[in-house]
Amino acid sequence: NAGVTQTPKFRILKIGQSMTLQCTQDMNHNYMYWYRQDPGMGLKLIYYSVGAGITDKGEVPNGYNVSRSTTEDFPLRLELAAPSQTSVYFCASKRSLVHTFGSGTRLTVV
Amino acid sequence: DAKTTQPPSMDCAEGRAANLPCNHSTISGNEYVYWYRQIHSQGPQYIIHGLKNNETNEMASLIITEDRKSSTLILPHATLRDTAVYYCIVMMEYGNKLVFGAGTILRVKS
Repeated sequence: NAGVTQTPKFRILKIGQSMTLQCTQDMNHNYMYWYRQDPGMGLKLIYYSVGAGITDKGEVPNGYNVSRSTTEDFPLRLELAAPSQTSVYFCASKRSLVHTFGSGTRLTVV
Repeated sequence: DAKTTQPPSMDCAEGRAANLPCNHSTISGNEYVYWYRQIHSQGPQYIIHGLKNNETNEMASLIITEDRKSSTLILPHATLRDTAVYYCIVMMEYGNKLVFGAGTILRVKS
């Protein structure tokens, strides 16, 4: 039981490049989330999903896209990377009361 | 969801109890108090949650005042590994989204 797995752990992107942050969970959780955390700040919700095929925007969705084709996977897509997207990205899943977080992806856009 | 107010930082001696306060004066009757913590660079970790009764688990105790406008997280015997940012979050019991504030930085010192 690996929990929530995020890949890659680190990535450097050039401005305008695209990439997909991967997130997978093996706990059969219906709810999944993407948060970003800027230095010294709390986490902010980007997108979330309540089940396969259903996604919704969070507090800071601009510049990102998501899809949820399976219960296990919830990838986050950055289409045109900008320096403002330099952050640490956390994926989480939830069933019942408790959110379980992955270990994060540290993204730098230069 | 109701907002919370926490002190920005606190220090605690190793082996002593750490008492972390949280104000949530606008909490509604069906909202729970959740505590998560984030150890440096890791994803947040669930600690405990409660509605109005005091709660205890293997990690911590949660004391909620009778009027539910404030609460205290207690780590009974703090260790160096408890150094982290602690987030107090108010949410419906089966709420979808965690809304993170800045939290309290707890520094446990030897």
